[in-house]
Formats: sequence, structure tokens, C-alpha cells
Amino acid sequence: EIVMTQSPATLSVSPGERATLSCRASQSVSSNLAWYQQKPGQAPRLLIYGASTRATGIPARFSGSGSGTEFTLTISSLQSEDFAVYYCQQYNNWPPRPYTFGQGTKLEIK
Amino acid sequence: QVQLVESGGGVVQPGGSLRLSCAASGFTFSSYGMHWVRQAPGKGLEWVAFIRYDGSNKYYADSVKGRFTISRDNSKNTLYLQMNSLRAEDTAVYYCAKDQAIVGATLLFDYWGQGTLVTVSS
Repeated sequence: EIVMTQSPATLSVSPGERATLSCRASQSVSSNLAWYQQKPGQAPRLLIYGASTRATGIPARFSGSGSGTEFTLTISSLQSEDFAVYYCQQYNNWPPRPYTFGQGTKLEIK
Repeated sequence: QVQLVESGGGVVQPGGSLRLSCAASGFTFSSYGMHWVRQAPGKGLEWVAFIRYDGSNKYYADSVKGRFTISRDNSKNTLYLQMNSLRAEDTAVYYCAKDQAIVGATLLFDYWGQGTLVTVSS
């Protein structure tokens, strides 16, 4: 079973600065990696899929990179609305397994 | 625009049953696979179940297999999750989520509902 590990667990960044979140897979998931944003009391929202393709309506300040086992989500200039929890998710394997998501990174205001 | 609206959550005793519904609109429901994903309080996301666009195949997490049943009514644009033999560890917000692939399955969730809270407690 593929295990997704995100780091750090919590990231403190000031508004306007760049944030870099990491996600590692225990084995290759090719480019079948997505990032989701979840704000308190809300459902997750798809940000990035295919490791680097922004979903519909996602601002250009969000970018994803990586392939295989190492992935990065970068937010170039943090806005107040970006402070949330971010999850990576692999969708390389079928049938689905419950632990397809990483444990999340909480992005908080410094 | 795509909308997914869950309902049916509530408080239930251990061993009890509950049926969740997810009303879909804004897309051709009968062409897409659908998932249930849950999130225990203060925890991460856990995939629960999937049903293909035509209901022909269903998949479950081991933790719910034999207790939960996913189904759909394409004539009503509605997804269901029948939950039986509920346990305290099933307490979570349950989200329905649309699979990105048309007439296929990718495990990529492009739209989510707002969630419905299920609490299993005596």
C-alpha cells in the first residue's frame, strides 16, 4: 500500500511571502498526484492535479511540481484566504485504498 | 455549476443504521463515478466507497466492507450510503465527491459536497 507523507505538519508564513509544502509517496505514483485545500468547516477543494495542472478557477499563485515520489505545492505570495490545511493525494492505484491522502499540512499565519 | 448536497446525518447509537443521500446537479450525473470520503473530527481524509457511473461496480474500504453499501439512482441524480452496524469510530463528516473521469474512474475528486455529520454515540 502506498503511504503519503506530508511535511511539515504545520507551516507558519507571513502574508505576501512564499510557502512551500512537501509530499512524499512511499513508492512511485508517476504524476498522479493532487493537492486539495480545506478551510475550517468547509469541504476540501481541488487545487492541483496531474502534479502540476491547476484546477478550474485556481489562481496562478498556486503551482505544483514533482513526479514519482517527491512533490511540492508552492504558493507564491500568500493571501489571507490561503491559510488553511492542504492535503496531497495519490490516485495512481486502482482499486482505491482508504489512505490515499497525506495527513495534511496546516498553513498558518506567522 | 456542479452542486452536491448531502443529507441524512445525525446521532445514532452503536449498532444502529443510517442512510446518507447526496443530491447532484449541474452535470450529467449518470456519466460519472461517485465516491464517499469521510473525515473524523480533527483528523484527515479517508476514502470510504466508490460506485461506477452505471452502478456496475462498487468498491469499499476494508473498515466498512460488509457494513456499508453504496448505491445510486441515476433517474433521481442521487447517491446513497447505507450504513449499518455503526461503530464509534465511524463518527465523521461524510462527503460525497464526484470522480473527475467521465464513464471511468480515476480516484480524483474534482467536486465535493459540504458534508453531513454522523455521530455514533450512546
